[in-house]
Amino acid sequence: VIWMTQSPSLLSASTGDRVTISCRMSQAISSYLAWYQQKPGKAPELLIYGASTLQNGVPSRFSGSGSGTDFTLTISGLQSEDFAVYYCQQYYSFPITFGQGTRLEI
Amino acid sequence: EVQLVESGGVVVHPGGSLRLSCAASGFTFDDYTMYWVRQAPGKGLEWVSLISWDGGTTYYADSVKGQFTISRDNSQNSLYLQMNSLRTEDTAFYYCAKDKIGGRAAYYFDYWGQGTLVTVSS
Repeated sequence: VIWMTQSPSLLSASTGDRVTISCRMSQAISSYLAWYQQKPGKAPELLIYGASTLQNGVPSRFSGSGSGTDFTLTISGLQSEDFAVYYCQQYYSFPITFGQGTRLEI
Repeated sequence: EVQLVESGGVVVHPGGSLRLSCAASGFTFDDYTMYWVRQAPGKGLEWVSLISWDGGTTYYADSVKGQFTISRDNSQNSLYLQMNSLRTEDTAFYYCAKDKIGGRAAYYFDYWGQGTLVTVSS
């Protein structure tokens, strides 16, 4: 099982800020990493896959980087609609696993 | 427009059984690997199971192996999850999700349903 450590668990920021969320793997996964955003009462939405490829329709203020064991989601110029919970997910090997989530709050 | 609509979530006693369904539309269902992902209330996401486009390959999380069975009916554009011997820790929202890539699976999810709540309680 690949264990994932996502940090921070809670992130306070203001609109216009640049924030980063980290996801660290217990073993190397190349670039087999996705990021999701989940708003209250809603299903998660895919933001990024392949560690850095933006899903269609996702604003360019979202970006992903990293490979191997260390990955980062960056949001540049926070908008009000970005306050949500963010999850990383590895798909390098089974079982598919998710990070614990990062709550981004105002 | 891709739509995934889950149904079947109810309150069930421990030890009981339940079958969840997911009705798919807006894409060629039998081209895609499909998944179940669950989320206990207020908690994080947990992958549960996947089934290949033709139903020939299935995988399960260790936490549900031997307890849950995933299946699909491509003629009905439907995905199912048979849940047996339910435990209180199976209480969660259950989401069906679609693979990003048709044919060979990518193992990440570009569309999700709205979820159906399964509550296991005496």
